[in-house]
Amino acid sequence: GAGVSQSPRYKVAKRGQDVALRCDPISGHVSLFWYQQALGQGPEFLTYFQNEAQLDKSGLPSDRFFAERPEGSVSTLKIQRTQQEDSAVYLCASSLVPGGAYEQYFGPGTRLTVT
Amino acid sequence: GESVGLHLPTLSVQEGDNSIINCAYSNSASDYFIWYKQESGKGPQFIIDIRSNMDKRQGQRVTVLLNKTVKHLSLQIAATQPGDSAVYFCAENSGGSNYKLTFGKGTLLTVNP
Repeated sequence: GAGVSQSPRYKVAKRGQDVALRCDPISGHVSLFWYQQALGQGPEFLTYFQNEAQLDKSGLPSDRFFAERPEGSVSTLKIQRTQQEDSAVYLCASSLVPGGAYEQYFGPGTRLTVT
Repeated sequence: GESVGLHLPTLSVQEGDNSIINCAYSNSASDYFIWYKQESGKGPQFIIDIRSNMDKRQGQRVTVLLNKTVKHLSLQIAATQPGDSAVYFCAENSGGSNYKLTFGKGTLLTVNP
């Protein structure tokens, strides 16, 4: 497909479980971003990759959150020992150029519900 | 107005009317602004952007106005259509990084046929 894809689209986890969320960016896009969107709020920045390098992880809420992009394409956001406050939509975006604040193309998101 | 908790600011218009959605941004050093449209179950979709050296930019049926003096951004949608119904977010690119976007709270636009 031509757009950013994310899987799974929906995930229900029991508190304490680990989850892994996948993002397939647009082919050839250098920049990849993860955002967290709570219900009724705007997306909040989590982390930024330029190719395989994680240049900014300042938005990750705790050390239970970990993201990787080992080959500079697909990225995985992992959340360990999930808590109820982790319930949100996790959005991935990609951009063609390095440091692309502009023209960030968003995926449909993964809705995580922690019970 | 300001949203509290889960309550988004809302705007309800009739099909064919013009819509104006407002956004107050926080950082006077921000130099790039974007409007996004988010439909239910989808990710944000780019609509239009503007740099701080401009005060107006027009696209197809949309116009963005920037008032740096009062740190205010607006999105005008001409001849609003039912397909325009969505949540609209403004986002600012704050000085200090060239990639990080800070999103506002969003406005829910409902277009009545």
